[in-house]
Amino acid sequence: KQEVTQIPAALSVPEGENLVLNCSFTDSAIYNLQWFRQDPGKGLTSLLLIQSSQREQTSGRLNASLDKSSGRSTLYIAASQPGDSATYLCAANTGNQFYFGTGTSLTVIP
Amino acid sequence: EAGVTQSPTHLIKTRGQQATLRCSPISGHTSVYWYQQALGLGLQFLLWYDEGEERNRGNFPPRFSGRQFPNYSSELNVNALELEDSALYLCASSPGHYRKGYTFGSGTRLTVV
Repeated sequence: KQEVTQIPAALSVPEGENLVLNCSFTDSAIYNLQWFRQDPGKGLTSLLLIQSSQREQTSGRLNASLDKSSGRSTLYIAASQPGDSATYLCAANTGNQFYFGTGTSLTVIP
Repeated sequence: EAGVTQSPTHLIKTRGQQATLRCSPISGHTSVYWYQQALGLGLQFLLWYDEGEERNRGNFPPRFSGRQFPNYSSELNVNALELEDSALYLCASSPGHYRKGYTFGSGTRLTVV
């Protein structure tokens, strides 16, 4: 069974700092990996989707990488802002379902 | 383009009652997924429907059930509600699985008292 782990569980950084969130998965047989953002009590907003054949995807200040062979993905956030404060979740798609990590709670301090 | 729509936003039920949650996918999306997110816990996969058929089911008891209608909207039913069913229930849709990502709705907050 696929297991997805996210480290760290919580992160607090000053505004303007660049940061990296980590996601690891145990089964490399995935079709793609998706990064989401969740604000408290809300649904999930898709940030980036990386196909298994891709190495990285970029959207604005966000860059996600994928290394299937090592079972790792990272989400890089450049020049962090207070509005980036949220929980970030990664999800690995095995075909039958997406397996979610438990998330990294990010706080950006003004 | 309208996103994934879930209703109701909030639902309060008494233990032992039944709850019905609804989800309308993005136009053109044929797959609907249901997840449970209990307070402080991660997202737990409940059900996947595609083209009207149940394709996969998570590790939940049979009192969690659902269906997908011809217009691809979906309904999640929870019978014999228990206090621990209190959670945020999230619905996601996809144009077809494997290479497509999810788009989530805003969720239904179910509270069992």
